[in-house]
Amino acid sequence: QKEVEQNSGPLSVPEGAIASLNCTYSDRGSQSFFWYRQYSGKSPELIMSIYSNGDKEDGRFTAQLNKASQYVSLLIRDSQPSDSATYLCAVNNRPGNTGKLIFGQGTTLQVKP
Amino acid sequence: GAVVSQHPSWVICKSGTSVKIECRSLDFQATTMFWYRQFPKQSLMLMATSNEGSKATYEQGVEKDKFLINHASLTLSTLTVTSAHPEDSSFYICSGVWQDGNTIYFGEGSWLTVV
Repeated sequence: QKEVEQNSGPLSVPEGAIASLNCTYSDRGSQSFFWYRQYSGKSPELIMSIYSNGDKEDGRFTAQLNKASQYVSLLIRDSQPSDSATYLCAVNNRPGNTGKLIFGQGTTLQVKP
Repeated sequence: GAVVSQHPSWVICKSGTSVKIECRSLDFQATTMFWYRQFPKQSLMLMATSNEGSKATYEQGVEKDKFLINHASLTLSTLTVTSAHPEDSSFYICSGVWQDGNTIYFGEGSWLTVV
């Protein structure tokens, strides 16, 4: 079992719709969770971080964390073609070693005009 | 602007030669940096943890004698790919932890092509 799992997609949504991206992780001791966006040929850029159960909203993005189910998701409201990218879920499962991230394989999102 | 900067952005080298990639933290001190490798259409794989003033910690399966890491100052870590081979061609990315202790910034990445 991979430590962090994502559906590779592609996930295709129409412009203006809600895109829902999901991620599961295997280590129950994981403390920090991140969503990164990566455009082709570019480095990842941080979208959201979440550390406690529940929802965290930032603009059009909402991260949801459920530690009991070992599940973290990212919702993108009012999806735009510019949101088309690969979304990487990352987990820090090493307390005291911030920055050592384990990445999922990424989900490719396509937002169609 | 960039918080973590990498150089070069891309490099082509001949098989058997060595290539050095630099990772700099801008306007903050990064005692720890991380090096990742990403092959096309795959996710980022952590290669090693670079510790300022001490030896790097390598992930399982990563050859420490092939991927030399030096973290001589609080703002600079270097990755040297020694005796590069075509299979080392990849996108190499570094990251540093911001002074808040939680926020992680990635460099722009360096494309390495070994011919």
